[in-house]
Amino acid sequence: FMLTQPHSVSESPGKTVTISCTRSSGTIASNYVQWYQQRPGSAPTTVIYEDDQRPSGVPDRFSGSIDFSSNSASLTISGLRTEDEADYYCQSYDSTIWVFGGGTKLTVL
Amino acid sequence: EVQILESGGGLVQPGGSLRLSCVASGFTFSRYVMGWVRQAPGKGLEWLSSIGGGAGTTYYADSVKGRFTNSRDNSKNTIYLQMHSLRVEDAAVYYCAKARHGGSYRDPDNWGQGTLVTVSS
Repeated sequence: FMLTQPHSVSESPGKTVTISCTRSSGTIASNYVQWYQQRPGSAPTTVIYEDDQRPSGVPDRFSGSIDFSSNSASLTISGLRTEDEADYYCQSYDSTIWVFGGGTKLTVL
Repeated sequence: EVQILESGGGLVQPGGSLRLSCVASGFTFSRYVMGWVRQAPGKGLEWLSSIGGGAGTTYYADSVKGRFTNSRDNSKNTIYLQMHSLRVEDAAVYYCAKARHGGSYRDPDNWGQGTLVTVSS
């Protein structure tokens, strides 16, 4: 299966943005979805795992959810800050294969 | 604290070979699946291979199957990616990552900083 994300999104500081990740086949709930943040020149870091869990140290402005009707997962970032500007990747798995979405560039204007 | 460090990247000619290393610490290495993910310049993340913790069962993406070999030495807390028949399109930053849960292949949590592989004549 594939995971499809919008290429880019933009929003103003203090606002809320949602990034979608649509699974092409199979049920989104079949396998957990993770979200990674990647700032320029840095390695990815986890901001959401197992659909809606936040690692320690990740602010509660970051939240994850899944939507059965659209077969998609979403990452929502509220109270946007300039430091949230980064690329965001969703990820799931097919047995032993790590499947990544194409990434979404978030611009905080 | 989990630490992961890749090394071995560099410039190689098309058709050449290179071996990447990834040394990890801060967790019971032999219990965890480890994986390789690459990122071509300006592109997204591409999973390449995973290796199990104990017996080291390996899995590969079609794009590298037959050319790349993933292996591990648990006594050195290290995994390796031996790359042969390199192509221009293999040029990328190569990341090593630890699976989130011991024994599970599901998803990575900690990543190294990456090592750059350039394939050019």
